[in-house]
Amino acid sequence: NAGVTQTPKFQVLKTGQSMTLQCAQDMNHEYMSWYRQDPGMGLRLIHYSVGAGITDQGEVPNGYNVSRSTTEDFPLRLLSAAPSQTSVYFCASSYSGLDTQYFGPGTRLTVL
Amino acid sequence: AQTVTQSQPEMSVQEAETVTLSCTYDTSESDYYLFWYKQPPSRQMILVIRQEAYKQQNATENRFSVNFQKAAKSFSLKISDSQLGDAAMYFCAYSRETSGSRLTFGEGTQLTVNP
Repeated sequence: NAGVTQTPKFQVLKTGQSMTLQCAQDMNHEYMSWYRQDPGMGLRLIHYSVGAGITDQGEVPNGYNVSRSTTEDFPLRLLSAAPSQTSVYFCASSYSGLDTQYFGPGTRLTVL
Repeated sequence: AQTVTQSQPEMSVQEAETVTLSCTYDTSESDYYLFWYKQPPSRQMILVIRQEAYKQQNATENRFSVNFQKAAKSFSLKISDSQLGDAAMYFCAYSRETSGSRLTFGEGTQLTVNP
């Protein structure tokens, strides 16, 4: 198993550009989540999904969109990047809501 | 809303000694889960230990143990026989039983292990 994979590892964007952060898992996990980590802060939940076709907002959803068309993939879209979205983004997955979450290696995003 | 607070931004310990990291949380729920995650410089989030709120017995994983005080809403992590590889950022996290994959994290404690 590859576990939870994220691409790209690093990305630099200009303000106003759009992009998609990719997340995939090969463990047949139902639950997938996106978090952001800012300096000096813990991870904060952006969006999450409890299964294909079902998504919901987390603590800091503004400026981000998600969709879950398959069990394996949970992409995070930045529609119009802003400097405030400079952060490290983590994707996580788990088999059920009560199970341990597995985290991906993270994507470091810089918005100039 | 649930909150998680780690009041120690930085801690240090001598190799082979014991260190305790503090965490408090606020919730109105009776059933929930608490976690400690380790984040080394590689940035990878690694689960250290997990505690179910309905269990009175404190969780233990090798050199790592917790002191869970439900009434006080306190969840501290004790690392015994500290090793150089324990140096990392440690995050306390909370999850409600019915919230699926949603975790609420504290701000983190940077642990330094001195040889």
